[in-house]
Amino acid sequence: EVQLVESGGGLVQPGSSLKLSCVASGFTFSNYGMNWIRQAPKKGLEWIALIYYDSSNKYYADSVKGRFTISRDNSKNTLYLEMNSLRSEDTAMYYCAKHSEALMGYFDYWGQGVMVTVSS
Amino acid sequence: QIMLTQQAESLWISPGERVSITCRASQSLLYTDGKHYLSWYQQRPGQTTKALIYHASVRTDGVPTRFIGSGSGTEFTLSIEHVQPEDFAIYYCLQTLKSPLTFGSGTKLEIK
Repeated sequence: EVQLVESGGGLVQPGSSLKLSCVASGFTFSNYGMNWIRQAPKKGLEWIALIYYDSSNKYYADSVKGRFTISRDNSKNTLYLEMNSLRSEDTAMYYCAKHSEALMGYFDYWGQGVMVTVSS
Repeated sequence: QIMLTQQAESLWISPGERVSITCRASQSLLYTDGKHYLSWYQQRPGQTTKALIYHASVRTDGVPTRFIGSGSGTEFTLSIEHVQPEDFAIYYCLQTLKSPLTFGSGTKLEIK
């Protein structure tokens, strides 16, 4: 059974940093692209970052480019999102999602999400 | 970037009825492999987001046959026949053709 479990969220002040993790199980993690998606309270889904299966390519939404970094450790079956210079508008539930293929495809499995609140 | 428009924010229907949710893309989602990189997702409170349809019309494993994806180019539709109580949820389309990947704004199915 595929499982994606996010952690690392919490309440932080504007301008601070936070690192989220997503531990994967139930599939060969190193074979698939992975994504981070977020959802602000009572808002829709926003894709924010994608990393290829081998970390050869990374893509970001304009809203986080230069502040957030996606990475992965295939030996630990773990996806990361390092978030710097956090703003109030980054307050959201953050989900990791597995790509159905190595490069392209769709998001076939999602985690339950982890909440990040940016507030003073 | 490719914009996806889901015009209906909410749709009110009765259980047993048929409903269609539309998603319009600002450019064609057809790739050189002949597939459309448009997928549909269901979001229900307390549950993980679920993929329903990919490549515009292919149901994912275990998705009931009442969920039907159709469309091509820039116009796509998710239809649900004989809506069941568990189908009242929020539905999103997503394009994975080109970065930045983009979601539609979502359509909430509500009980009439």
